[in-house]
Amino acid sequence: QSALTQPASVSGSPGQSVTISCTGTSSDVGGYNFVSWYQQHPGKAPKVMVYDVSNRPSGVSNRFSGSKSGNTASLTISGLQAEDEADYFCNSYTTSGTLGWVFGGGTKLTVL
Amino acid sequence: EVQLVQSGAEVKKPGESLKISCKGSGYSFTTSWIGWVRQMPGKGLEWMGIINPGDSDTRYSPSFQGQVTISADKSVNTAYLQWSSLKASDTAMYYCARQHSASLFDYWGQGTLVTVSS
Repeated sequence: QSALTQPASVSGSPGQSVTISCTGTSSDVGGYNFVSWYQQHPGKAPKVMVYDVSNRPSGVSNRFSGSKSGNTASLTISGLQAEDEADYFCNSYTTSGTLGWVFGGGTKLTVL
Repeated sequence: EVQLVQSGAEVKKPGESLKISCKGSGYSFTTSWIGWVRQMPGKGLEWMGIINPGDSDTRYSPSFQGQVTISADKSVNTAYLQWSSLKASDTAMYYCARQHSASLFDYWGQGTLVTVSS
């Protein structure tokens, strides 16, 4: 199955908001509310920030929010902080193939 | 406290075999699927496969089917990823992750770096 489409990079200044998109098809993002987002700092394991499109795990800042419209899911980070600079990956359930899950290609967030 | 602890870094030669592990603790190991994820140097995350430790039901990504074997031993709360004949292109960081519910992969191992070089 093909990876979901994310922008390679986004940037913003401290305090601003940024949105990262994740585009798929009706077989994945558009067909199910099973999209999650992962933050990965260099040399570290991924950390879940949002799951089931818009739910935040306990302990994740409410500056992180998720949404979905059609075949595109989005992660919005408000009140940008230096520590938010990282790679972000979306993940979706998919009916393409037998595995059931597919990642996006990843987005590098730079805090200016 | 839930933890997934992976085995240490490996350096292997092409053609050699390898089995790396992911040991779960702090929860009922048989009640959550465990997925394996590859991250090649400087690249993104790729699902390799996922296993239900309770009954060993395993699903593979087409890209990895036949290239690796995923297994689990519930008696020692451990999932495994193995290769029978490594290639240089298998050089990567490998992560295991617990699927708590639906799209929530909430706990990740620290990663195992596999380097394959002659």
